[in-house]
Amino acid sequence: DTGVSQDPRHKITKRGQNVTFRCDPISEHNRLYWYRQTLGQGPEFLTYFQNEAQLEKSRLLSDRFSAERPKGSFSTLEIQRTEQGDSAMYLCASRTAYQETQYFGPGTRLLVL
Amino acid sequence: DQQVKQNSPSLSVQEGRISILNCDYTNSMFDYFLWYKKYPAEGPTFLISISSIKDKNEDGRFTVFLNKSAKHLSLHIVPSQPGDSAVYFCAAVDSSYKLIFGSGTRLLVRP
Repeated sequence: DTGVSQDPRHKITKRGQNVTFRCDPISEHNRLYWYRQTLGQGPEFLTYFQNEAQLEKSRLLSDRFSAERPKGSFSTLEIQRTEQGDSAMYLCASRTAYQETQYFGPGTRLLVL
Repeated sequence: DQQVKQNSPSLSVQEGRISILNCDYTNSMFDYFLWYKKYPAEGPTFLISISSIKDKNEDGRFTVFLNKSAKHLSLHIVPSQPGDSAVYFCAAVDSSYKLIFGSGTRLLVRP
C-alpha cells in the first residue's frame, strides 16, 4: 500500500535560484492538490488538478510558481527566482473522485537562504 | 478572513483522560469536515471526518461532534495516550473541494 510520496523531503537553496518538487499521488487518485504550510499556520491551498487539467489556482500562487501534471499521474511544482518568503513546507495531497478525504504526502521542506 | 478557526493553540492533558479539541467555522455552506494529526516534519495524517448530515461520528478512541447551528465541531480522544501528542488540524471542504484548515492545536498528553 503506497501512499502519496514527495521528493525531495528537504531542499536548501539560495535566493534567486529555481527549485522543482515532485509529487506522486496514490495510484487510483485522479485529484491532486498542492498546499503550503508555514510555521504556526495550517496548510493553505495553492492549486488543484483533476487528471492533467489544472482547475484552480490560489492567489497565493504568484507568477513565479508553476505546477504541472502532464500525464495525469505525478505532478511537479516549480518556483522560479526563489525568495526568502517562499521558505515553507510544501504539501501534496490526493483523493479519488468519489470521496472528499484528501491523503497527504510527507511534504517538502524548503529553506531559502 | 479565517473561515476555520481553532482558538486554542495548545492543550495539555493527563494520560488516560479525555482530550477535547475545538473548531469553529463561519461559512454555513461547508458540509464536510475532517480532522488531521500532524507530527513535526511529516505531512498531515487523516484521522476522522464528518458530514453535515450527521452530528456525530466515532472511530475507536476518536469521536467528532458537529453542531451546525453553532458552526462548531469538536474532536474527543478517549482515553488520551502519550502517542497522541501532536498538532491537530480541523479542515472544511469548500465548494471546489479544496480544504480550508484551521491554525491547529498542539496537544500534549502527559504520562
